[in-house]
Amino acid sequence: GENVEQHPSTLSVQEGDSAVIKCTYSDSASNYFPWYKQELGKRPQLIIDIRSNVGEKKDQRIAVTLNKTAKHFSLHITETQPEDSAVYFCAATVYSGAGSYQLTFGKGTKLSVIP
Amino acid sequence: GAGVSQSPRYKVTKRGQDVALRCDPISGHVSLYWYRQALGQGPEFLTYFNYEAQQDKSGLPNDRFSAERPEGSISTLTIQRTEQRDSAMYRCASSLHNEQFFGPGTRLTVL
Repeated sequence: GENVEQHPSTLSVQEGDSAVIKCTYSDSASNYFPWYKQELGKRPQLIIDIRSNVGEKKDQRIAVTLNKTAKHFSLHITETQPEDSAVYFCAATVYSGAGSYQLTFGKGTKLSVIP
Repeated sequence: GAGVSQSPRYKVTKRGQDVALRCDPISGHVSLYWYRQALGQGPEFLTYFNYEAQQDKSGLPNDRFSAERPEGSISTLTIQRTEQRDSAMYRCASSLHNEQFFGPGTRLTVL
């Protein structure tokens, strides 16, 4: 099955700096890669995703890049703000038949933005 | 519109009791997933429904766990003869295409 590794496990940045979180996956058939933000005590919220036919996607201050050859993808947050502080999860999925896109998650990165 | 809802939000039970956890997906979402999330970890897949059909149950840890979605909307995850190791946050997610939207979860504590 799929295995997703995520680094770093914790990340502290100064407000206004950039943050980068990296993930690798094992199944070359994986074709959809979402990122979720989870604030303390809240549900995971989808913030951006990328499909395997795209190398990069950007939405305001966040961007995701995908390198299919190396089987890794990264989340980039620019001009970080205190409200960006949360745990971020990457995930990968491969279509497993009958409509199932079960997600395999990384272990999460706790991002702290220091004012 | 309304997001995914789950009930109860918290459940405390004694070892050996059965529990039923409910998920109400976003209206019109045909796909429904159950995940389990341990503290400090990412969600782990349990089972998947396409409408009322359970088409992937490869993540259910053992036969004490079962799930149903009889009318293709609300789903129930049942854990029989609960054990302390079953304590976790149980989340469901619904989806129309690839994007999965998570519910608030049920925090299950087995004493």
